[in-house]
Amino acid sequence: SQQGEEDPQALSIQEGENATMNCSYKTSINNLQWYRQNSGRGLVHLILIRSNEREKHSGRLRVTLDTSKKSSSLLITASRAADTASYFCATVGGSGSARQLTFGSGTQLTVLP
Amino acid sequence: GAGVSQSPSNKVTEKGKDVELRCDPISGHTALYWYRQSLGQGLEFLIYFQGNSAPDKSGLPSDRFSAERTGGSVSTLTIQRTQQEDSAVYLCASSLTGTGIEKLFFGSGTQLSVL
Repeated sequence: SQQGEEDPQALSIQEGENATMNCSYKTSINNLQWYRQNSGRGLVHLILIRSNEREKHSGRLRVTLDTSKKSSSLLITASRAADTASYFCATVGGSGSARQLTFGSGTQLTVLP
Repeated sequence: GAGVSQSPSNKVTEKGKDVELRCDPISGHTALYWYRQSLGQGLEFLIYFQGNSAPDKSGLPSDRFSAERTGGSVSTLTIQRTQQEDSAVYLCASSLTGTGIEKLFFGSGTQLSVL
């Protein structure tokens, strides 16, 4: 079974609005990563947050991590049509082994111009 | 190379045939991963190579699936006697050390269609 589960499964917003996606997981983690996938092909890494971090920023992206609730959120501010993609969270287990990197089923974000 | 390269980008085959999918990781990356993604789904782990260590094959769904990595670089995923349920996008990724606290770089995938 997959460790991370994203919510919502699909999200549609207007350009300029903020988009928030959530990820929940079940067991302890070493870190959590967010990836973006365009058109069902290769994934692109967006941001990595370690288990001892609570918040991280990268450009228009803001990621939070709450290990007590076993959840993370990805906020995209001032969205653009080019942000339309699927977004996946991926968790690395407590041992930190890359083998334990498991992906959720993703959130499909559509940004309408 | 500049990124992870996968070939072919698309493969259509008949049920029962064997297929080989190729992955060229980023030069110098010691870790290589294969994932499978069915339509509208997340990524399913298949196999993981790290340096000269024995590969972690625990994600391979059946003995029809095998993979090798020659010279610590190029990897080939082989599916024997393909079935319709094997239809999916097969994604390869590499990372510098495979420590788990680093990002993965993905190829564009191979779309496999089994008729």
